[in-house]
Amino acid sequence: DTGVSQDPRHKITKRGQNVTFRCDPISEHNRLYWYRQTLGQGPEFLTYFQNEAQLEKSRLLSDRFSAERPKGSFSTLEIQRTEQGDSAMYLCASSLSTTDTQYFGPGTRLTVL
Amino acid sequence: AQTVTQSQPEMSVQEAETVTLSCTYDTSESNYYLFWYKQPPSRQMILVIRQEAYKQQNATENRFSVNFQKAAKSFSLKISDSQLGDTAMYFCAFMRLIQGAQKLVFGQGTRLTINP
Repeated sequence: DTGVSQDPRHKITKRGQNVTFRCDPISEHNRLYWYRQTLGQGPEFLTYFQNEAQLEKSRLLSDRFSAERPKGSFSTLEIQRTEQGDSAMYLCASSLSTTDTQYFGPGTRLTVL
Repeated sequence: AQTVTQSQPEMSVQEAETVTLSCTYDTSESNYYLFWYKQPPSRQMILVIRQEAYKQQNATENRFSVNFQKAAKSFSLKISDSQLGDTAMYFCAFMRLIQGAQKLVFGQGTRLTINP
């Protein structure tokens, strides 16, 4: 049973550029979550999917952020017109609705110059 | 809104000692889960232990155990016979059980160092 995977692991970009991250959850998990973690802090919830439906978005998720899970499997998180404040670790987690325990991927570390 | 507070930013103990990490939370919910996650340096978040609020018995996983005090809204983690590999950031997290997103609310973390 493979765990949650994320790609890329690191991304360096210039301010104003668009970036896209991918998350592949554990294969039978129907729930998928995105969190953001800044240095020295705990992760903060961004958004959540049950199958392909995006059911909740945090107020942290500005209009420049969009997430998709088109076939209920992998998910993408896109940030448009990146800002230096977007620099963080972006974590993906998945779970089964029957157990509610979330398993995390290794994260994508974004640096905006 | 739920909040989780970890009042110990850093802790350090000698190998083989027992250490207890503190966590308090604030909620008006009666049904919820609590978790401890471990994040080793430059590595991914790993689940350590989970506690269901409706269970009076404290959860235990090998050397890891919790002291869950529901009335006091306290959820501490005890690590017995600590090992060098226990060095990590430890996060306490709360999840409420209502229909919709079972999102995790995390504390600020405690950096634990196990010294040889």
